[in-house]
Amino acid sequence: AQTVTQSQPEMSVQEAETVTLSCTYDTSESNYYLFWYKQPPSRQMILVIRQEAYKQQNATENRFSVNFQKAAKSFSLKISDSQLGDTAMYFCAFMKPRGSQGNLIFGKGTKLSVKP
Amino acid sequence: NAGVTQTPKFRILKIGQSMTLQCTQDMNHNYMYWYRQDPGMGLKLIYYSVGAGITDKGEVPNGYNVSRSTTEDFPLRLELAAPSQTSVYFCASSYRTGADSPLHFGNGTRLTVT
Repeated sequence: AQTVTQSQPEMSVQEAETVTLSCTYDTSESNYYLFWYKQPPSRQMILVIRQEAYKQQNATENRFSVNFQKAAKSFSLKISDSQLGDTAMYFCAFMKPRGSQGNLIFGKGTKLSVKP
Repeated sequence: NAGVTQTPKFRILKIGQSMTLQCTQDMNHNYMYWYRQDPGMGLKLIYYSVGAGITDKGEVPNGYNVSRSTTEDFPLRLELAAPSQTSVYFCASSYRTGADSPLHFGNGTRLTVT
């Protein structure tokens, strides 16, 4: 069975600085998808970034980038130039490829606080 | 577009009561999902549907039922509420499975069973 582990329950960062959130996963699959979701206090789940395992290039979306290490089964999220609006819970999630019916396996989340 | 709409936003139930959580989407998505989020945890899949008339169990289906009579609607039914069902419930939809078709989530329903 697939598992997703986020070892940092809480983190804080000063505004404008860079922070990295950790995520490791366990799977015997060779092809799969990884995601980072943001959940602000409004509770809505917002997709931040996604990575397909067969792509070696790390995904980037503006200030958000990932460090995907397939052999180590690691998928960390780097937030550059942190903003107050980045304060939220961040969830790492794993999905098997097509046929898995969209079942995302979530980690327990990391609570990120951006301080002014 | 409204996206995925869930009602109600909050609800308190007594043990043994029943209720239906409503979910509707206006994106013509084939796939719809129900997740629950317990305090301090990630989301876990309750039920999913790949199209009207087709539903299947997820990781934690006990105590719940679903139906999918239309593409737009995917209600979740709790028949005999128990304190263990206190959670935040999220409905989501996607056009298809895969990273190129990410899930769109509703804003969630916070349910308390006392």
